[in-house]
Amino acid sequence: NAGVTQTPKFQVLKTGQSMTLQCAQDMNHNSMYWYRQDPGMGLRLIYYSASEGTTDKGEVPNGYNVSRLNKREFSLRLESAAPSQTSVYFCASQGQGETEAFFGQGTRLTVV
Amino acid sequence: GEDVEQSLFLSVREGDSSVINCTYTDSSSTYLYWYKQEPGAGLQLLTYIFSNMDMKQDQRLTVLLNKKDKHLSLRIADTQTGDSAIYFCAAGTALIFGKGTTLSVSS
Repeated sequence: NAGVTQTPKFQVLKTGQSMTLQCAQDMNHNSMYWYRQDPGMGLRLIYYSASEGTTDKGEVPNGYNVSRLNKREFSLRLESAAPSQTSVYFCASQGQGETEAFFGQGTRLTVV
Repeated sequence: GEDVEQSLFLSVREGDSSVINCTYTDSSSTYLYWYKQEPGAGLQLLTYIFSNMDMKQDQRLTVLLNKKDKHLSLRIADTQTGDSAIYFCAAGTALIFGKGTTLSVSS
């Protein structure tokens, strides 16, 4: 049982480049989330998906897009990376009824 | 929008009790959560409380919920150096996190 798997674990991008962060869960969870974590800022919600086929903006959606490809996968895309998007990104999934949310190990992204 | 507030730092001596406080604005949560993050790691669920409960005890952990004041607290009894970490409160149907409380335990 892998839980929540994020790829890649580390990435360095140049300003203006694009990339997609991948997240997959094998727990048949309905809800999936993308957060970014910055020092002193805690975890801030970027986007979430309450079920397959739906996505909603969180606290800091600007500069990001998401796709809920199927129930298992929820990807986060940076179309034109900026240094302000340097952060650690976490994906999470949660089952029906707001039970425990499980987190991936994070993607450390640096934009130079 | 939804908001979750926590104090940022707490420093205690080994063996003392630690109390971490949290306030939230979204009263629609069915559950409220405490997560722990150790350096360089992801988040792990520490404990949670159902919104209809006032208190939950789990070994050294006690969670108190004052729903009227939208205040949640986490008490760690007999705090150990291994408890040093960042503790996050989370609430809301969209799972909003506070900024985290860094707990430092000195021997």
